[in-house]
Amino acid sequence: SYELTQPPSVSVSPGQTARITCSADALTKQYAYWYQRKPGQAPVLLIYKDSERPSGIPERFSGSSSGTTVTLTISGVQAEDEADYYCQSADNSGVYWVFGGGTKLTVL
Amino acid sequence: QVRLQESGPGLVKPSETLSLTCTVSGGSISTYYWSWIRQPAGKGLEWMGRIYFSGSYNYNHPFKSRVTMSVDTSKKQVSLNLRSVTAADTALYYCVRVAEGSRSYGDYWGRGTLVTVSS
Repeated sequence: SYELTQPPSVSVSPGQTARITCSADALTKQYAYWYQRKPGQAPVLLIYKDSERPSGIPERFSGSSSGTTVTLTISGVQAEDEADYYCQSADNSGVYWVFGGGTKLTVL
Repeated sequence: QVRLQESGPGLVKPSETLSLTCTVSGGSISTYYWSWIRQPAGKGLEWMGRIYFSGSYNYNHPFKSRVTMSVDTSKKQVSLNLRSVTAADTALYYCVRVAEGSRSYGDYWGRGTLVTVSS
């Protein structure tokens, strides 16, 4: 398998834009998915297939892909967005999942 | 709204079997794969494997020799058994519904249940 690399932490002031990256050579061939996890809550799917947003997810969450890096962008960050964010992908078969180490977003 | 609720002992002794159950509500258990994912303290998320409602499964390599997953469609429950546990198996365990279609990600997660392995 392979590893997905995320920055351990990102800090941003309310109203600003936060960008969280996730890198791996495999991301040129495999889709990436993003989850948000708040303490004591079930993780929530934010983005699938690099840039698709499930219904019910605010438009301020968006995803993009360029080469070996995918990016989760949170526009107009709110205090409630403070959470851990994880990227995830899969092997060529789509069966075996791999996760990034997670990024803690701090809203200053 | 689909809800997943993990349950099971919070404390397991070394060398014993960790057994967890995930109860599905608000949606069907059929036609889906169900995964177990765990996060040891201070570490990242680990995909343990998946099981189809019909019983077919795929286990991740690090767990293959010790893990068994099962589905009880009548009870709408998914189960995880992990044998011969050690302190390294202390973790937060999540039950996840695998999204239809590509089946490469989870669209619903439970809140997770903490299991500590200690004598």
